[in-house]
Amino acid sequence: AQSVTQLGSHVSVSEGALVLLRCNYSSSVPPYLFWYVQYPNQGLQLLLKYTTGATLVKGINGFEAEFKKSETSFHLTKPSAHMSDAAEYFCAVSEVDAGKSTFGDGTTLTVKP
Amino acid sequence: GAVVSQHPSRVICKSGTSVKIECRSLDFQATTMFWYRQFPKKSLMLMATSNEGSKATYEQGVEKDKFLINHASLTLSTLTVTSAHPEDSSFYICSARKPGTSGEQFFGPGTRLTVL
Repeated sequence: AQSVTQLGSHVSVSEGALVLLRCNYSSSVPPYLFWYVQYPNQGLQLLLKYTTGATLVKGINGFEAEFKKSETSFHLTKPSAHMSDAAEYFCAVSEVDAGKSTFGDGTTLTVKP
Repeated sequence: GAVVSQHPSRVICKSGTSVKIECRSLDFQATTMFWYRQFPKKSLMLMATSNEGSKATYEQGVEKDKFLINHASLTLSTLTVTSAHPEDSSFYICSARKPGTSGEQFFGPGTRLTVL
């Protein structure tokens, strides 16, 4: 069975500050890990994904995440927050290529001017 | 690219009527599509997995007779909410798997259903 825990349902940062959104997963096999972003009244858009290889993954809009197997974590970071980063962020895990993904409960990111 | 569309984007209907939502993969063939329901400020709730040419697999607690899913072709899946009631009001999102993308899902823009 697979599961995802996103620590902190709401994160608030000042513009220009570091963004850190936490995600821990549980999987019985090597996982595929994803971060998606959702803007109000829209679908989800992929930010980045980890499948195999390099554990530091870079995505769109300056975001990156590091897969840490020993910590079963896949935290999302961005060095400097922008107002346009305010959105809902979802971490997801998939155990096999053809299987369904399990999503975390989401983290709402607020960026203060 | 990998674009998924949904139609309609917004629908308002009377209680007791049925509503059909379409999900299309525009530039790739999707053997698997997923239907989610999202409540305000909540995560995605997977309703069912739709496989082309076969019956959908519903998640526990989802009424298959109420939420009819048809995946008639490699680019189209439909969700029909039958005899809709106000409690069915929600944001419905579909996604599609594109072969060779290591599990990534491509999401449609969602459909806002309001049942009066």
